[in-house]
Amino acid sequence: AQSVTQPDIHITVSEGASLELRCNYSYGATPYLFWYVQSPGQGLQLLLKYFSGDTLVQGIKGFEAEFKRSQSSFNLRKPSVHWSDAAEYFCAVGPPGSARQLTFGSGTQLTVLP
Amino acid sequence: DAGVIQSPRHEVTEMGQEVTLRCKPISGHNSLFWYRQTMMRGLELLIYFNNNVPIDDSGMPEDRFSAKMPNASFSTLKIQPSEPRDSAVYFCASSFNEKLFFGSGTQLSVL
Repeated sequence: AQSVTQPDIHITVSEGASLELRCNYSYGATPYLFWYVQSPGQGLQLLLKYFSGDTLVQGIKGFEAEFKRSQSSFNLRKPSVHWSDAAEYFCAVGPPGSARQLTFGSGTQLTVLP
Repeated sequence: DAGVIQSPRHEVTEMGQEVTLRCKPISGHNSLFWYRQTMMRGLELLIYFNNNVPIDDSGMPEDRFSAKMPNASFSTLKIQPSEPRDSAVYFCASSFNEKLFFGSGTQLSVL
């Protein structure tokens, strides 16, 4: 069975600092991988996705993520965090071609200090 | 496009009452999902429709929960009778090219 682990429940960074949010997955083959962001009172918004090809994927709002098969990881990064990035971030994994079988991680809450 | 539209944004009801949540997916998306989000259990898939047909309802917690999609532009999730443990945020999402687009959710409180 597939699973997703986001080891960090809560991360605090200063504005302008770099950010890395961790995501580890368990899946038998190469999965589809996603990062979503949820602002307070809002639904989840897709930041980026990995289906195949280049293992470094670029997303919206200056985020990127790197798929590392050997480590079963798909960590999210941003070189310089803005106060508006404060939100909850969810990693998700699923089999290719089946959005209904997505498994979401438990989320990482990001706080940005001025 | 206005995105996935859910109503109401907030619903407060008393135990035993019927609750109906509504969703309008993005035009052209042929798959629709209902999720429930709680602190304890995170984001859970309740039911999935493809081309207005329920494909997988294995996540629906009990018979008190039912969902319909009478046409491509409208879906409902009904809870009857509601219980306090149903309190959660309920999200509707539609998908295109394996990407999910979420509505803003309905915050349900059952007293």
